[in-house]
Amino acid sequence: QLVLTQSPSASASLGASVKLTCTLSSGHSNYAIAWHQQQPEKGPRYLMKVNSDGSHKKGDGIPDRFSGSSSGAERYLTISSLQSEDEADYYCQTWGTGIVTFGGGTKLTVL
Amino acid sequence: EVQLLESGGGLVQPGGSLRLSCAASGFTFSSYAMSWVRQAPGRGLEWVSGVSDSGGSTYYAVSVKGRFTISRDKSKNTLYLQMNSLRPEDTAVYYCAKMAVPAAIFHVDIWGRGTLVIVSS
Repeated sequence: QLVLTQSPSASASLGASVKLTCTLSSGHSNYAIAWHQQQPEKGPRYLMKVNSDGSHKKGDGIPDRFSGSSSGAERYLTISSLQSEDEADYYCQTWGTGIVTFGGGTKLTVL
Repeated sequence: EVQLLESGGGLVQPGGSLRLSCAASGFTFSSYAMSWVRQAPGRGLEWVSGVSDSGGSTYYAVSVKGRFTISRDKSKNTLYLQMNSLRPEDTAVYYCAKMAVPAAIFHVDIWGRGTLVIVSS
């Protein structure tokens, strides 16, 4: 079964960096994922696609502060030079035969 | 500018029906797959259904299969979701989403603003 696991919450200080993790279920470690950001009271926004080899392709207008990487079954979203507007929920998404699935989301608090 | 504008949400009684629409602009609608994704109050994102660029392939989450029907009209650049036999657990904001490729199953790269569906007596 294709499942994505995310930590429910994370926090980091203004100006610092944070690395969010999305873990693919067993047998799916070669899958690509996408990261999406949802700021409070807003719809989601696509950030980037991250491949199993760590390469990533960002959406239009996504700042350089956002980057993606991979290691085994884990896919990462790193946000550097944290700003207050980065406080949001972050969801990973993947896809398989006839199915699209989202992780449970990580709520990022900027201290 | 790429835009997806949902409409058709509202309050409906359990067992009732509703049709959502999504008007697309700013891109070649007929060249991309589309999906509906929902978010129940205070919960995460849940994929509901997807349709290929041609409309020839459709996919559904287990939770809605047999009750919801996705379709598209390329002449109107519009995506639809017909929802029948609605249940209280279908209460959510429904987002229209553009997929990054023609195939129905891939990642979302554009999101709409959403329309709220409330199923309650």
